[in-house]
Amino acid sequence: DVKVTQSSRYLVKRTGEKVFLECVQDMDHENMFWYRQDPGLGLRLIYFSYDVKMKEKGDIPEGYSVSREKKERFSLILESASTNQTSMYLCASSFREQFFGPGTRLTVL
Amino acid sequence: GENVEQHPSTLSVQEGDSAVIKCTYSDSASNYFPWYKQELGKGPQLIIDIRSNVGEKKDQRIAVTLNKTAKHFSLHITETQPEDSAVYFCAASPNDYKLSFGAGTTVTVRA
Repeated sequence: DVKVTQSSRYLVKRTGEKVFLECVQDMDHENMFWYRQDPGLGLRLIYFSYDVKMKEKGDIPEGYSVSREKKERFSLILESASTNQTSMYLCASSFREQFFGPGTRLTVL
Repeated sequence: GENVEQHPSTLSVQEGDSAVIKCTYSDSASNYFPWYKQELGKGPQLIIDIRSNVGEKKDQRIAVTLNKTAKHFSLHITETQPEDSAVYFCAASPNDYKLSFGAGTTVTVRA
């Protein structure tokens, strides 16, 4: 059974903190993605990676960075969290079909 | 870039009735159109997809239609059941990996 896991289901951080969201997939997929999901806006792509150490900006990369040191792991980094980054964050991996993790609901106070 | 619009934003149907969700897209290069279902507390899950070389695809109670000329595609759910209650997202892509999603439709099936 395919599996994408995310390090936390819920996270509360303070403005200015550095935040790490981690995602692990067990399907040996080349492609991995980070989205944020907000009501009325659907899923918006932040960054994606098509190979280890390779990354491309998505539609809303500002305020975020990513790291992919190993094929199975893709990390999203908020260098200095702000309240407008309060959202649901979804990780996905794919060969063709995208498989999603359960999401991390991040609240920035 | 691609812009996907999805309607309606909410849909309430009586159990056993049909549900239809419509999406339009802007980029004529898009050729892959998946539909995802997201249940409460879970990530989205692919339920059906269609590519631009076909006009319709069916899988049991679910069907998707595509009109490339008009740049719109639709999801049809027949004989709805309570377990069909969820948020549904359409998406479009010029390849298999970079998806642009619609805003989502919350479907409620009334018993």
